[in-house]
Amino acid sequence: AQTVTQSQPEMSVQEAETVTLSCTYDTSESNYYLFWYKQPPSRQMILVIRQEAYKQQNATENRFSVNFQKAAKSFSLKISDSQLGDTAMYFCAFHNNAGNMLTFGGGTRLMVKP
Amino acid sequence: NAGVTQTPKFQVLKTGQSMTLQCAQDMNHEYMSWYRQDPGMGLRLIHYSVGAGITDQGEVPNGYNVSRSTTEDFPLRLLSAAPSQTSVYFCASSLTGGRDGYTFGSGTRLTVV
Repeated sequence: AQTVTQSQPEMSVQEAETVTLSCTYDTSESNYYLFWYKQPPSRQMILVIRQEAYKQQNATENRFSVNFQKAAKSFSLKISDSQLGDTAMYFCAFHNNAGNMLTFGGGTRLMVKP
Repeated sequence: NAGVTQTPKFQVLKTGQSMTLQCAQDMNHEYMSWYRQDPGMGLRLIHYSVGAGITDQGEVPNGYNVSRSTTEDFPLRLLSAAPSQTSVYFCASSLTGGRDGYTFGSGTRLTVV
């Protein structure tokens, strides 16, 4: 079974600065998918970014980028130019190629301060 | 386009009562799932379905039943509510089995007293 670990329960960052959220996972598979989801106070789960394990290039979506280190089983999220609207819980999630479930980490609560 | 619609948004139950959480999607997704979210534990899979008439258990299925009679609907039934089932419940759907990510509903906050 896969496990996903987010070692930072809470983080804070000043508006306009950069912050990196950490995620590590454990799997014996070689092909899989990794995700970061954002959950603002509204409770809605919003897909932020997606990475395919067989692609070496790190995914980027506007101010959000990842640092995917397959050998180290690490998948960190970098948020550049942080905005007040980035305040939320962030969840790292793993999906294997053949399965039908997402395995989530415990989440990191990010506070962006003005 | 409504996406994934969950009802109700909030519910309080007494121990031993039963109820059904409704989930509907209008994106013609074959894959649908139910997750529960507890503090500090992320989301955990309860049950999932890969198409109408096909369901299977996830990580924490005890105390819950599901059925999938249509592509659009995937209700979750609590047979006899217990305080341990106090949680936030999310329904999610996917076109590709999750490889492109899931679309989530807005959640149901359930309290069992």
